[in-house]
Amino acid sequence: EAGVTQFPSHSVIEKGQTVTLRCDPISGHDNLYWYRRVMGKEIKFLLHFVKESKQDESGMPNNRFLAERTGGTYSTLKVQPAELEDSGVYFCASSLRRTSDTQYFGPGTRLTVL
Amino acid sequence: GESVGLHLPTLSVQEGDNSIINCAYSNSASDYFIWYKQESGKGPQFIIDIRSNMDKRQGQRVTVLLNKTVKHLSLQIAATQPGDSAVYFCAENMNDYKLSFGAGTTVTVRA
Repeated sequence: EAGVTQFPSHSVIEKGQTVTLRCDPISGHDNLYWYRRVMGKEIKFLLHFVKESKQDESGMPNNRFLAERTGGTYSTLKVQPAELEDSGVYFCASSLRRTSDTQYFGPGTRLTVL
Repeated sequence: GESVGLHLPTLSVQEGDNSIINCAYSNSASDYFIWYKQESGKGPQFIIDIRSNMDKRQGQRVTVLLNKTVKHLSLQIAATQPGDSAVYFCAENMNDYKLSFGAGTTVTVRA
């Protein structure tokens, strides 16, 4: 069974540019989560999808971040325009059920904003 | 080797020794706790979990202890191996889906 995959693995962009990160969850997992870790700090929750619906986006830093999950399969996280403080590692995770089920993480996308 | 107190960011341990990684969690209402291992260039990998109705749970070479009175979680690794070198995160489950992670402890195994 394939795990959670993320693309790209690394992205280097300049301040003000746009970047789109993609996550493919484990097949059959309805729940998809985005997290990020900035500057060696804790991994922080960004948002949660159940199928194509956003259940909780309380962790999204501001309106420069837009997440979508069209058709309830893969998800994208767009940052527009990117700022220096957006640099970090963005993780995607998926789980089968919502209630206290194991979340499986992807390898992450390392974003560097110059 | 042991990371004492609430949290130490690094732990150096001799190969073959036992490791103890400590974590303090914040929410007394959390009912599910997970330890993840993150190796360089990879995402967090599930190690072991424990629910709040338990005090101890054992896996293969790993044991998780939960002390709800002082909101403390620990991960014990028996006979630490070079492949155990990684960053270890504890996470608490709040509201059934949102994981709240600790700062992480970097474990380095000395040959």
